[in-house]
Amino acid sequence: QSALTQPASVSGSPGQSITISCTGTTSDLGSYNLVSWYQQHPGKAPKLMIYEDTERPSGVSNRFSGSKSGNTASLTISGLQAEDEADYYCCSYAGAGIWVFGGGTKLTVL
Amino acid sequence: EVQLVESGGGLVQPGGSLRLSCAASGFTFSTYWMSWVRQAPGKGLEWVANIKQDGSDKYYVDSVKGRFTMSRDNARNSLYLQMNSLRAEDTAVYYCVRLGHSNGRYFDLWGRGTLVTVSS
Repeated sequence: QSALTQPASVSGSPGQSITISCTGTTSDLGSYNLVSWYQQHPGKAPKLMIYEDTERPSGVSNRFSGSKSGNTASLTISGLQAEDEADYYCCSYAGAGIWVFGGGTKLTVL
Repeated sequence: EVQLVESGGGLVQPGGSLRLSCAASGFTFSTYWMSWVRQAPGKGLEWVANIKQDGSDKYYVDSVKGRFTMSRDNARNSLYLQMNSLRAEDTAVYYCVRLGHSNGRYFDLWGRGTLVTVSS
């Protein structure tokens, strides 16, 4: 039950695009189409942004997109806005009823 | 309003017990998998446990197996987490979370969390 690997921090300027990677193994992320991404602002509960690798819940901006290749998933945010500054977590099903989160990535909008 | 509201957090000594509760409203509680996810102060998210719609299947992270027990009461639209033999490393905000889709495929609704502090 090891955590997924994410960069500790990423940054970008308003209007730019950034990508956050999430690396797992063939036992978790690489075996299931069940990667999800969560946005968390300070002092707030997490919010679902992407589910099932690439799907976007209703109400989430289409500036957010997800992808996956092999054991690595990615969250891309295009047209960065100040309100996107937050912590982002990936999550994957790991089999046998177990779920694993990434360590989190702090996004700074410069 | 669709929401989850946790309660029961507080300060407890190492080795002690605490029972968290989560009240669900605004949706058909009995048709969803439910989960507890925790976050230690200044740290990332950690999945703790899941329970199936009828309570027949439960899964736990290794670090809480044998100490924590998750349960639900569909008649009361309530979720519970009984935490025994608490350790300092269990200190965290505990979130009650709904899993989306009938097979529980992602965490789509989160409560605001309740803080558990284990300290002497």
